[in-house]
Amino acid sequence: NAGVTQTPKFQVLKTGQSMTLQCAQDMNHEYMSWYRQDPGMGLRLIHYSVGAGITDQGEVPNGYNVSRSTTEDFPLRLLSAAPSQTSVYFCASSYAPRGGNFNEQFFGPGTRLTVL
Amino acid sequence: AQSVTQLDSHVSVSEGTPVLLRCNYSSSYSPSLFWYVQHPNKGLQLLLKYTSAATLVKGINGFEAEFKKSETSFHLTKPSAHMSDAAEYFCVVSEVGYSSASKIIFGSGTRLSIRP
Repeated sequence: NAGVTQTPKFQVLKTGQSMTLQCAQDMNHEYMSWYRQDPGMGLRLIHYSVGAGITDQGEVPNGYNVSRSTTEDFPLRLLSAAPSQTSVYFCASSYAPRGGNFNEQFFGPGTRLTVL
Repeated sequence: AQSVTQLDSHVSVSEGTPVLLRCNYSSSYSPSLFWYVQHPNKGLQLLLKYTSAATLVKGINGFEAEFKKSETSFHLTKPSAHMSDAAEYFCVVSEVGYSSASKIIFGSGTRLSIRP
């Protein structure tokens, strides 16, 4: 299993550009999520999904869109990049027994994004 | 909705002395709780997890945590700190899988420094 994969690993954008961060997992996990990590602020949840066709907003969703057309893929779209979106982005997946809580998350290697 | 608070942004201890990293949580249901560690410029690694079994949970590298429902706490401890423990530690809460209201939330992190 490849686990959780993210592309690209590094990206530099100019203000106003758009782009999509790719995330895929091959573990058949229902739950997928995107976090951003900024110094001193931990990992903040951007968007998450509990299954194909279902997405919801996290703590900091503004400026980002997601879709979940398949169980495997969960892309994150930056609509019009701003310097405040400079961060490290992590994608993660998890699973839960029916009716139970989500178990531990499996993380991708991260994408380091700089917006100039 | 669930939330998690890490009470200390930075903890510094001497090598060989005990470590205590504090975490309080809020949850409407019976949560699962996790501790992750992130070494500098590295990804996230699961230290331990509580999923409604034993309240005292043992993890990797000598760490353990105790789930105290009455205090809504899940503090991380280690009897004797090692230089290699210097890292960022995150407390995480999850609840109720397979619902659009379910999500996994990170605390803001505690940076652990070890003095020689």
